[in-house]
Amino acid sequence: KQEVTQIPAALSVPEGENLVLNCSFTDSAIYNLQWFRQDPGKGLTSLLLIQSSQREQTSGRLNASLDKSSGRSTLYIAASQPGDSATYLCAELDSNYQLIWGAGTKLIIKP
Amino acid sequence: DGGITQSPKYLFRKEGQNVTLSCEQNLNHDAMYWYRQDPGQGLRLIYYSQIVNDFQKGDIAEGYSVSREKKESFPLTVTSAQKNPTAFYLCASSPRGAETQYFGPGTRLLVL
Repeated sequence: KQEVTQIPAALSVPEGENLVLNCSFTDSAIYNLQWFRQDPGKGLTSLLLIQSSQREQTSGRLNASLDKSSGRSTLYIAASQPGDSATYLCAELDSNYQLIWGAGTKLIIKP
Repeated sequence: DGGITQSPKYLFRKEGQNVTLSCEQNLNHDAMYWYRQDPGQGLRLIYYSQIVNDFQKGDIAEGYSVSREKKESFPLTVTSAQKNPTAFYLCASSPRGAETQYFGPGTRLLVL
């Protein structure tokens, strides 16, 4: 069974720092890799989607990369703000068109 | 306002009781999904439906049941056979052939 892993489970950084969240996956035949944000007790909001043929996607201060050969994706957040505090989840869309989820990284940005 | 609604926000279940979680969408999406989220784990798929009157089991369907009588509605029943129901339940939907999903705000189920 395919797996998606996110390390670390939690991360705390001072405001203004650039940071990287990591996601690794075992599926060599992914269709895409997606990053979501979840605020406490809330649903998920889609941030970025990278197709398997792409290397990266950008939205504002967020940049997501994909390296299929190594089974890794990163989410780069520039100039972090307290409002970025949330749990960030990655998921890969597999060959059955199902999303396989990581457990998430809980991010805390300290003012 | 288009979107996905889930109700209630909090639900309490007594021992041996069946409870039903509501999920409604007005996005005209064909597919709908139910996930369970536990601390420290990724989302796990309970059931999904690609079309009205049809649904498929996900990875953890035991102790749960669903129906899809209308395109906009996909209720989830947590039966008494589910021995560890305490979790956060998320409903999602997507257009046919879409490569991502859109999520509701979730329902937290607690056992009394």
